Amino acid sequence: GAGVSQSPRYKVAKRGQDVALRCDPISGHVSLFWYQQALGQGPEFLTYFQNEAQLDKSGLPSDRFFAERPEGSVSTLKIQRTQQEDSAVYLCASSSLGTAPGNTIYFGEGSWLTVV
Amino acid sequence: DQQVKQNSPSLSVQEGRISILNCDYTNSMFDYFLWYKKYPAEGPTFLISISSIKDKNEDGRFTVFLNKSAKHLSLHIVPSQPGDSAVYFCAASRRNTGNQFYFGTGTSLTVIP
Repeated sequence: GAGVSQSPRYKVAKRGQDVALRCDPISGHVSLFWYQQALGQGPEFLTYFQNEAQLDKSGLPSDRFFAERPEGSVSTLKIQRTQQEDSAVYLCASSSLGTAPGNTIYFGEGSWLTVV
Repeated sequence: DQQVKQNSPSLSVQEGRISILNCDYTNSMFDYFLWYKKYPAEGPTFLISISSIKDKNEDGRFTVFLNKSAKHLSLHIVPSQPGDSAVYFCAASRRNTGNQFYFGTGTSLTVIP
């Protein structure tokens, strides 16, 4: 596709509910990133895939967070037993190169999660 | 700890004047820097970047300056236009961990017509 596509755009979850957020990267992009952006903050790194391999998951805040990219294109970020502090915008980004520098990442519009 | 800092949460500038947005970083290993622009309810969009081998990069009305000794970069917008009103984020990365970009907290720019 022309850009990074994320769904759903908006999600309201009850505390304890599981959620799944989907990301469709730019076609052909090797690298895929998930970021979390809380209100008034900058994006914070969660995890990184190169093709189907999850090379870095150091930013995932707890074992309730899980991400996958089984065929090296679409990715899903799953949050189990959601808590109020999980409320944030979840941004997906992709890039054509494997490593920086010169690696520009392109963001989707984000999935806005509110846990009530 | 915040490795990339944008100490001005907001900035207002008259249309046609210069906007200067500042960013400081603490990690001397960072070697690639980017600026992103974000409108409400949209994801950040890439604006301009600079490698640490340069001290200036220009693209139309946008120029990024890098001062490695001061660990400081700035984005200049000349002339500023009302459509430039948005939140601007700077980001940094380093060669050996190129998959992770560190973002500042953003500066909200308002260009007054």
